[in-house]
Amino acid sequence: GQQLNQSPQSMFIQEGEDVSMNCTSSSIFNTWLWYKQDPGEGPVLLIALYKAGELTSNGRLTAQFGITRKDSFLNISASIPSDVGIYFCAGYDRGSTLGRLYFGRGTQLTVWP
Amino acid sequence: KAGVTQTPRYLIKTRGQQVTLSCSPISGHRSVSWYQQTPGQGLQFLFEYFSETQRNKGNFPGRFSGRQFSNSRSEMNVSTLELGDSALYLCASSLKGAQGALGTDTQYFGPGTRLTVL
Repeated sequence: GQQLNQSPQSMFIQEGEDVSMNCTSSSIFNTWLWYKQDPGEGPVLLIALYKAGELTSNGRLTAQFGITRKDSFLNISASIPSDVGIYFCAGYDRGSTLGRLYFGRGTQLTVWP
Repeated sequence: KAGVTQTPRYLIKTRGQQVTLSCSPISGHRSVSWYQQTPGQGLQFLFEYFSETQRNKGNFPGRFSGRQFSNSRSEMNVSTLELGDSALYLCASSLKGAQGALGTDTQYFGPGTRLTVL
């Protein structure tokens, strides 16, 4: 099946620092989504991207849909302790059958005060 | 608008038993997808339902099944439970689940059901 490579696997940063994570796929994607998951909870949608080159912000979060359609990145500026959690990239590839999202393995973010 | 709800939140079963999990989508959403999440395998797709029809299925054994009702609520069933079925089961809903108008296939997740098999 489709493989999404998400990096880094984990990040340990100090409060106030900026964070960047990215995701690449082996095939073209039509949609890229970024989710955050807290322990024991379901993923919460942060940003949705629908067009190649699209750059979208949600507060301190910014995400971009790569021009090649095979990658996306998420930036978090001025991190705060509540940013702790696991961040997942996900998306639909061009040949994807309905209702199926492909996921990266996640980036575990730890923020030190 | 209320989000996706899943019941129960926690379940403990023993090997060989069966279990039924329930998912109520966001009002107006007609597509429901199910995923299994484990530390070792990450998020894996189980199946997707739209208008009471299963449109897509992942690579899980036949012990995993589901259905969708006319009000878009969905259930999944796991029969003859195995230890390896212990996981967080997530459902997600979207308006259409198809790549039509922008955003109609964006999936919103419920809080999950934590299943522990002893």
